[in-house]
Amino acid sequence: ETGVTQSPTHLIKTRGQQVTLRCSSQSGHNTVSWYQQALGQGPQFIFQYYREEENGRGNFPPRFSGLQFPNYSSELNVNALELDDSALYLCASSLVRGRNEQFFGPGTRLTVL
Amino acid sequence: AQTVTQSQPEMSVQEAETVTLSCTYDTSENNYYLFWYKQPPSRQMILVIRQEAYKQQNATENRFSVNFQKAAKSFSLKISDSQLGDTAMYFCAFMNTGNQFYFGTGTSLTVIP
Repeated sequence: ETGVTQSPTHLIKTRGQQVTLRCSSQSGHNTVSWYQQALGQGPQFIFQYYREEENGRGNFPPRFSGLQFPNYSSELNVNALELDDSALYLCASSLVRGRNEQFFGPGTRLTVL
Repeated sequence: AQTVTQSQPEMSVQEAETVTLSCTYDTSENNYYLFWYKQPPSRQMILVIRQEAYKQQNATENRFSVNFQKAAKSFSLKISDSQLGDTAMYFCAFMNTGNQFYFGTGTSLTVIP
């Protein structure tokens, strides 16, 4: 079975730009969650998608948005980038039913200049 | 709101010794899951151990075990026979009934040869 993959690995953007990060979930998983991990901090929950619909959201502004596709892959979009958006963005996939474990991807390192 | 607290930012242990990492959490829910994740330097986050709140028996995975105290909302991780490969950031995580994860700020563990 294939694991969670994310692209790109690294990304550099300037303030005010928009960015799209991508995630392919582990085979058979129907739920994808996105997290922001600032340097030296724990991951912060952004939102979760289950069967193409948002299934919960953390304390992030609306300029953070997402999509989940029929094959359960997902995108995270961030508009009007700010310097504080610089972080590692993690995607994790899981099954709603079952052992409830989340399997994480390697992350996308976003730097906003 | 759920919160997860890890009060030990850094810890060290001699190789082959035992170390315990602390975690407390706050929730009003009765059914939930708790996890310990390991994040080696510049590497992917991986699951170490999980605990269902409705199970009184403490989870064990080889050298890793937990001390789950539901009334005290405490969930510590014990690593026995520490190995150099255990050096990593360890995150305690709480999952609510909505399948949403909340992470602590992490404990950086160094295993000393």
